[in-house]
Amino acid sequence: EVQLVESGGGLVQPGGSLTLSCAASGFTFSYYSMHWVRQAPGKGLEYVSGISSNGGTTSYANSVTGRFTISRDNSKNTLYLQMGSLRAEDMAVYYCARGRSGSDGKAFDYWGQGTLVTVSS
Amino acid sequence: QTVVTQEPSLTVSPGGTVTLTCASSTGAVTSGYYPNWFQQKPGQAPRALIYSTNNRHSWTPARFSGSLFGGKAALTLSGVQPEDEADYYCLLYYSGAWVFGGGTKLTVL
Repeated sequence: EVQLVESGGGLVQPGGSLTLSCAASGFTFSYYSMHWVRQAPGKGLEYVSGISSNGGTTSYANSVTGRFTISRDNSKNTLYLQMGSLRAEDMAVYYCARGRSGSDGKAFDYWGQGTLVTVSS
Repeated sequence: QTVVTQEPSLTVSPGGTVTLTCASSTGAVTSGYYPNWFQQKPGQAPRALIYSTNNRHSWTPARFSGSLFGGKAALTLSGVQPEDEADYYCLLYYSGAWVFGGGTKLTVL
């Protein structure tokens, strides 16, 4: 069974830093791209960042470029999101999602349950 | 800045059919945007429904179908069930970057 479990959320002051983790199990982690998606309270989904299966390619939303860094450790089956210079507008539930690309196209298939990041003084 | 637009809200009767659309500010949506669709119920994580325009995941009920229509990606629900009441989001791919639509709140009434 595919499982994605996020952790690391919590309360952080504006300007502070936080690192989120996403522990993967039930599949060969190193075969898949991985992504972070967030949802501010009462708002829609926002794509945050993605990383290729070997970690060689990353992408970021304009809103987080230069402040967030995505990475992965395929030996630990874990995805990370280092968040810095946090702002009130970064407050959200952060989800990790598995991506796959093949002959039938590109898909986001499995999602974690999310971890809440609160930015407040 | 690329904007992906969905209907803010739609209402459908049980057993009816409804189509949700997903438009891109850059022009017509094609298969190259690999449209994905997700369902989200209150307090839950999103659940994937459709990928690459019209492919169902193994868990997606057959009443959900995806297509391209009139320059937009579309999600059609046929024989709507009360449990289909939820928020629906589309996701489009722009050469390395992904962008979500604003979501459609579907009410079954």
